[in-house]
Amino acid sequence: NAGVTQTPKFRILKIGQSMTLQCTQDMNHNYMYWYRQDPGMGLKLIYYSVGAGITDKGEVPNGYNVSRSTTEDFPLRLELAAPSQTSVYFCASSPYAGTYEQYFGPGTRLTVT
Amino acid sequence: AQRVTQPEKLLSVFKGAPVELKCNYSYSGSPELFWYVQYSRQRLQLLLRHISRESIKGFTADLNKGETSFHLKKPFAQEEDSAMYYCALSNKDSNYQLIWGAGTKLIIKP
Repeated sequence: NAGVTQTPKFRILKIGQSMTLQCTQDMNHNYMYWYRQDPGMGLKLIYYSVGAGITDKGEVPNGYNVSRSTTEDFPLRLELAAPSQTSVYFCASSPYAGTYEQYFGPGTRLTVT
Repeated sequence: AQRVTQPEKLLSVFKGAPVELKCNYSYSGSPELFWYVQYSRQRLQLLLRHISRESIKGFTADLNKGETSFHLKKPFAQEEDSAMYYCALSNKDSNYQLIWGAGTKLIIKP
């Protein structure tokens, strides 16, 4: 099992550009998450999904969009990138919420200049 | 508002010394609490959760509802314990999504 994979590992965007961060899991998990982590801070939840076709906002959803057309994939779309979106982005999955372990991808380091 | 506080950004101890990484939370109900760890060049991974009451790699953590704390402890630190440690909280009011502390970097000196 590859677990949770994320692409790309690194990306530099210019202000106003758009991009999609890819996330795939092969564990048949219902729940998937997107977090961002700014330097010296904890992870902040951007969006999450409880299953294919169902997504919901987390703590910091502005400037992002997601979709969940399959159980495996949960892409994160950045429209009109801004310097405030410079961060490390983590995708995670879990079978259910609550006490269940979340399994993380390796992260994507994004810089917007 | 729910919050998780890890007061130490950096903790440095000698090998063989006891380790305590502090975690305090603000939530009035019954929380689910977790410690996650990220070793150098590895992914973030679960270390332990309070509901399991387990010891992993010699680490334990006890939920103290009176002090709203969930400190992580190990009696004898090893060099391989050097890592970033994150405390996280989940509960019904957060739709069981995790609320994270800022993390503590633990350095074990030889």
